[in-house]
Amino acid sequence: EDKVVQSPLSLVVHEGDTVTLNCSYEVTNFRSLLWYKQEKKAPTFLFMLTSSGIEKKSGRLSSILDKKELFSILNITATQTGDSAIYLCAGGSSNTGKLIFGQGTTLQVKP
Amino acid sequence: GAGVSQSPSNKVTEKGKDVELRCDPISGHTALYWYRQSLGQGLEFLIYFQGNSAPDKSGLPSDRFSAERTGGSVSTLTIQRTQQEDSAVYLCASSLGLAGLYEQYFGPGTRLTVT
Repeated sequence: EDKVVQSPLSLVVHEGDTVTLNCSYEVTNFRSLLWYKQEKKAPTFLFMLTSSGIEKKSGRLSSILDKKELFSILNITATQTGDSAIYLCAGGSSNTGKLIFGQGTTLQVKP
Repeated sequence: GAGVSQSPSNKVTEKGKDVELRCDPISGHTALYWYRQSLGQGLEFLIYFQGNSAPDKSGLPSDRFSAERTGGSVSTLTIQRTQQEDSAVYLCASSLGLAGLYEQYFGPGTRLTVT
């Protein structure tokens, strides 16, 4: 059965800290690993990773995929209170339309 | 252009009643997805539509749940004889193609409360 597992489930840090969020996956015919940020209701897209070892970066956020060990990490440097959210990762298959989501990591950044 | 829209934003219903949730995808997006998110949980896949292909209904939790997509655009998720465990946020997403290949854009969701 396909599954995606995220860790930790929750995290509390202070502004300026660096955090690393983990995502491991088992997805049949794996095609891509996606990261989303969910602040209120609608998740917003962060990254889509398809190739191993190539870091994707957007401002203070970066992510990388390891297709051999079947995991991805999301790094956030110099955290701000606005980074407080649920971070979701999802695995996508090349032959179905489903995304398999992990349970999410709830990040709280304190001032 | 406009993003994915959903209505209503909140719905409170009594146990046993039927509800309809609506999703308007981004124009031109051929794929449309429904997910359910219970409190503190990740997203649970329900159903997706891709172009004119038969929908993938493999995530629907029971035969009380059904969905249709008219004219390749608007979709309606119907829950019959609602139960308290149906209480959740129902999210719709659309994309240019299969979710593993294209980014999904999510709507704001409908929060369903069954009393």
